Amino acid sequence: KQEVTQIPAALSVPEGENLVLNCSFTDSAIYNLQWFRQDPGKGLTSLLLIQSSQREQTSGRLNASLDKSSGRSTLYIAASQPGDSATYLCAVSDGGSQGNLIFGKGTKLSVKP
Amino acid sequence: DTAVSQTPKYLVTQMGNDKSIKCEQNLGHDTMYWYKQDSKKFLKIMFSYNNKELIINETVPNRFSPKSPDKAHLNLHINSLELGDSAVYCCARSWMTGDEQYFGPGTRLTVT
Repeated sequence: KQEVTQIPAALSVPEGENLVLNCSFTDSAIYNLQWFRQDPGKGLTSLLLIQSSQREQTSGRLNASLDKSSGRSTLYIAASQPGDSATYLCAVSDGGSQGNLIFGKGTKLSVKP
Repeated sequence: DTAVSQTPKYLVTQMGNDKSIKCEQNLGHDTMYWYKQDSKKFLKIMFSYNNKELIINETVPNRFSPKSPDKAHLNLHINSLELGDSAVYCCARSWMTGDEQYFGPGTRLTVT
């Protein structure tokens, strides 16, 4: 049974700092991995999708990497801003006929001005 | 804008009632999903529909039933509501199963 773990559960950094959020999964047979952010009281916003054949994806100040063999992904946020404060969720999909996402419990990020 | 809308945004109801939550997507995607987010913010898949056909159904009580009147809608019906059903219910869409998923704003259900 696939399990997704995110460490740390919470992180507080000063504005301008570069940071890394970690995600690990127990079964390397994934179809893709998706990173989301969730602001309080809001729905999930998709940030990046990495296919199982890819090593990384970039979008603006965000860079996500995937090491499928070791069951790990990282989300790198450069030059953090207070607006980056949110909960970041990692989810893996086993694709195929199911396609359901299995989520981690998230990392709550707070960027202090 | 993820092009997924949910109604209502908030729903407060009493135990034993039957309620429905609606989800609509306007991009013609093939697959829609329902997830439950509990009080600790943990998300878990409930159902998905691909071209109006149920393709997964996790260990969800049969009081919950998805209804898809057409490709653009996947509504969630809940019978005999219980206190433990209180949660945020999140609808999502993707082009096909396994593709990137886009979520709606969520419906916060409170059962009293």
